Amino acid sequence: EPEVTQTPSHQVTQMGQEVILRCVPISNHLYFYWYRQILGQKVEFLVSFYNNEISEKSEIFDDQFSVERPDGSNFTLKIRSTKLEDSAMYFCASSVGGTAGVAYEQYFGPGTRLTVT
Amino acid sequence: SQQGEEDPQALSIQEGENATMNCSYKTSINNLQWYRQNSGRGLVHLILIRSNEREKHSGRLRVTLDTSKKSSSLLITASRAADTASYFCATTSNTGKLIFGQGTTLQVKP
Repeated sequence: EPEVTQTPSHQVTQMGQEVILRCVPISNHLYFYWYRQILGQKVEFLVSFYNNEISEKSEIFDDQFSVERPDGSNFTLKIRSTKLEDSAMYFCASSVGGTAGVAYEQYFGPGTRLTVT
Repeated sequence: SQQGEEDPQALSIQEGENATMNCSYKTSINNLQWYRQNSGRGLVHLILIRSNEREKHSGRLRVTLDTSKKSSSLLITASRAADTASYFCATTSNTGKLIFGQGTTLQVKP
């Protein structure tokens, strides 16, 4: 069964450093998402991406964040200058569709645990 | 506004018992989805119920939706130790993003 994969599974970085989290969505999916989950809290939406551009971003997704689909398979989340509060589990998700009013299942990757020290 | 708030926050039952988790939301929805998260792992989609549906079944799972009360429930029948996980409801916004609740942590004791 196709699945979303994410690398690395765990990333430790120092405050102020740049990190790139990588995701390989399911091959025929067109909509891509990043979510994060701070330990003990709920899963929060960061950004959605379709047709090579951002569809929507949350308040959390400020200028230090960026996303890119550099080729036909990878979908990356870059955090330019990490802060302590960026420590969280970051989940990538993809879906076949994502248009308004139509329900599509989102398939989630296993997550990358980011620890900022 | 917050969407998809589950209760209880934690539930502990014996294997074989049924587990019921509830979710409330505040704005109108097109659909509501339930996800499971095993400790430290990703989210697994369980079931999606559309706003024009009242009940849906999938194996040992039964989901109900009451749009008049803006609430949904997830029932797991004949629970197993392997059902131990956190369960989240999520509503889908008009733009496709999922809005998750805080989740219910279910422990099934063997």
